Parts: sequence; structure tokens; C-alpha cells
Amino acid sequence: KAGVTQTPRYLIKTRGQQVTLSCSPISGHRSVSWYQQTPGQGLQFLFEYFSETQRNKGNFPGRFSGRQFSNSRSEMNVSTLELGDSALYLCASSLGTVTGELFFGEGSRLTVL
Amino acid sequence: DAKTTQPTSMDCAEGRAANLPCNHSTISGNEYVYWYRQIHSQGPQYIIHGLKNNETNEMASLIITEDRKSSTLILPHATLRDTAVYYCIVRVPNTGNQFYFGTGTSLTVIP
Repeated sequence: KAGVTQTPRYLIKTRGQQVTLSCSPISGHRSVSWYQQTPGQGLQFLFEYFSETQRNKGNFPGRFSGRQFSNSRSEMNVSTLELGDSALYLCASSLGTVTGELFFGEGSRLTVL
Repeated sequence: DAKTTQPTSMDCAEGRAANLPCNHSTISGNEYVYWYRQIHSQGPQYIIHGLKNNETNEMASLIITEDRKSSTLILPHATLRDTAVYYCIVRVPNTGNQFYFGTGTSLTVIP
């Protein structure tokens, strides 16, 4: 069974640009969550999508957005990049049940110059 | 708000049991305790979770105190590959997969 796949694994952008990250969940999983990990703030929840609808949202500015497609694949977008957006962006998929565990991908490491 | 308190770091000798404590004194009756670990530069990996009873799987055991205010993750025979940051998480109902990871415990397994 294939795991969670995130693309691209590494990318470099400059301030003011935008970026789109992609996540393919485990087959059959309908929930996709996104997390940001930085040395200073640790792992922080961005948002969760379930059956194409945003189910939860963390405390991030509106520059961070996401969506989920009918095949459960998800994308997140960050517009007007800032230096502080440099981070490891992790995607996690789950069945979406109350106690279902999260399965994380390897992450997309974004560097903003 | 992480709702959990863990030691910043711990060491364990290879082959010995690693016991990682976690305090969650404000836990509510319907909140589960989850443990994840993250090996450097990889995505977090699920280990185990529980509500009231002790749990065991192929990776670890989870011991939850009777008052549920604390728990201990036990890796029975630690190996060098168990060196990682271990996160104890209290999962709040009705928040989907909005997990608060906190700062975790950095476990170093020493040869």
C-alpha cells in the first residue's frame, strides 16, 4: 500500500512569489491535513480537508490556502511568500474517523530567499 | 495549547526499555492520548494511542494512570533506530485531525 506522497520535496522561492504544494493521500483516505514545521514554532496545524470540504483551520493568515479534489488529493498554496514561511510542510492523511491515526508524508521543504 | 508536558530530552542504553513520561493533567474524559515520533527530517510516525486502558502493539506499550492525568510510553528494547523526537498528544474531540504536537521529548539511544 503506497504511503502519502508529497511533491515537490524541495523548492526555493523568493519573497513575494507564491507556491503550490501537492499531496496524494493513502488510497481510501478521505481526510488530508497540512502542518507547518519550523525550528522556532515546531509542528503547527494549518488546515484539514475531508471530502473536498475544509473541516478545520489553524491560526494562519489568509495567504495560506488549500483545497481537496474529488480523488482526495490535496494542494496547499502560499501567496506573497515571506522569509518566515521557510519551513517543512507536512501532509497527513487519515480515514477521517474520530480515532483514526494520521499517516504523514516526508514533507516539502520550502526555502524563501 | 499543547495540553501536555514532556521532558525535553532523555537518554536510553541500547537494548534497555525506554520509558517516556507525559503529563496531561487537564485531560477530559473523552480525549484520547496519542504518541507519535519523528526521526530527523522525516514525517512523524504514529506509534500508539489510548483512552483509559493500557495498550500494546508491535512498537510500544502505553500505560495510562487511573486518573488519566499522565501516561508513559514504553519502548521495550530500544535500538539506535529509536532515536527520535517523541510527541505526546491529547486529541480534542470534534477538532478532526487538528493535533497539538508540543515540543516533544528528544530520545537518544546510546550504544
